[in-house]
Amino acid sequence: DPKIIQKPKYLVAVTGSEKILICEQYLGHNAMYWYRQSAKKPLEFMFSYSYQKLMDNQTASSRFQPQSSKKNHLDLQITALKPDDSATYFCASSQENTQDTQYFGPGTRLLVL
Amino acid sequence: GDSVTQTEGQVTVSESKSLIINCTYSATSIGYPNLFWYVRYPGEGLQLLLKVITAGQKGSSRGFEATYNKEATSFHLQKASVQESDSAVYYCALRGGSALGRLHFGAGTQLIVIP
Repeated sequence: DPKIIQKPKYLVAVTGSEKILICEQYLGHNAMYWYRQSAKKPLEFMFSYSYQKLMDNQTASSRFQPQSSKKNHLDLQITALKPDDSATYFCASSQENTQDTQYFGPGTRLLVL
Repeated sequence: GDSVTQTEGQVTVSESKSLIINCTYSATSIGYPNLFWYVRYPGEGLQLLLKVITAGQKGSSRGFEATYNKEATSFHLQKASVQESDSAVYYCALRGGSALGRLHFGAGTQLIVIP
């Protein structure tokens, strides 16, 4: 059974719209993360949360807002979508956010037209 | 800031031959970084292949090895004899010495193993 679930797998959106990417982990972890991989670029760190609190933020734009309604959830709301937001978004989790291994979900592939 | 460089975007190797995928890093944060290799098989998510948190140590998994070389700032991935099932994208990653946990990834190297 998948331990980190990301929904949806694929998403097509129009410029200016808003979407929420879902991430749930069933590993009992306390830290969760978002990363993004745009075409021809490395995976880039976006956010990390620990015990549902923001720990680290590498995303300059306020259009990207993580939302943690439960300890094992970290959704990503993206507003005013732009074509440059097209990427695969990966959720990850770890026991804590220090020395522990991060486990990744399968990703949500977002295309903004 | 911290960064990782993988020079080869794609590597093609015949089955049973040896493999080396190069990774070098730059770490400017306090403390020694932790180093990782992740792998992404076709149609699947990112999986941890191996990690090394202490300089000078070697990590190994599934026949792959990588040594944390602090002097050369390298963490090359090697395998003595590849199999077709090793075809995947391999990512080198670094976690800086701070406690915040963020990973910095290289661009990835696509390994194609020819039977």
